[in-house]
Amino acid sequence: EPEVTQTPSHQVTQMGQEVILRCVPISNHLYFYWYRQILGQKVEFLVSFYNNEISEKSEIFDDQFSVERPDGSNFTLKIRSTKLEDSAMYFCASRVSQGQGGYEQYFGPGTRLTVT
Amino acid sequence: LAKTTQPISMDSYEGQEVNITCSHNNIATNDYITWYQQFPSQGPRFIIQGYKTKVTNEVASLFIPADRKSSTLSLPRVSLSDTAVYYCRKGSQGNLIFGKGTKLSVKP
Repeated sequence: EPEVTQTPSHQVTQMGQEVILRCVPISNHLYFYWYRQILGQKVEFLVSFYNNEISEKSEIFDDQFSVERPDGSNFTLKIRSTKLEDSAMYFCASRVSQGQGGYEQYFGPGTRLTVT
Repeated sequence: LAKTTQPISMDSYEGQEVNITCSHNNIATNDYITWYQQFPSQGPRFIIQGYKTKVTNEVASLFIPADRKSSTLSLPRVSLSDTAVYYCRKGSQGNLIFGKGTKLSVKP
């Protein structure tokens, strides 16, 4: 069964450093998402991406964040200058279409980002 | 913002049927109801989706009454491995807004 993959599984970085989290969505999916989950808290939406552009973003997704689909398979989340409060699990998700009922998103295993 | 309400936690024993109800009073005509499951340190996993009446798959059943203002996820004969957080979501497209979910604890 195809699945969303994410690398690395765990990233440790120092405050102020740039990090890039990588995701490979399911191959025939068209919609891509990033979510984050701070330890013990709920899953929060960050950004959605379709047709090579951001379609929606939350207030969390400020100028420090950016997304890119550099080729036909990867989908990346970049944090330019990490802060301690960016420490969280980051989940990538993808969805096949916007058709009736086809709204289920498939999530990757997550990248645990630890900012020290 | 989409809003759903569900119990914060539930306890059950192995072999029992568990029903988790979600309230979504302001559901729109084109909204579907979707349930996700999340284990610790893993991403949410799609369980089931429905629009009205009853939907059943190999994992669960979903009951949605005629007014669609609530829905009930039914897990038959739970096992210890069903211990997880279960999220209800209503919507038609776009990003998922997760509430705090229902933490289900299954005991032996």
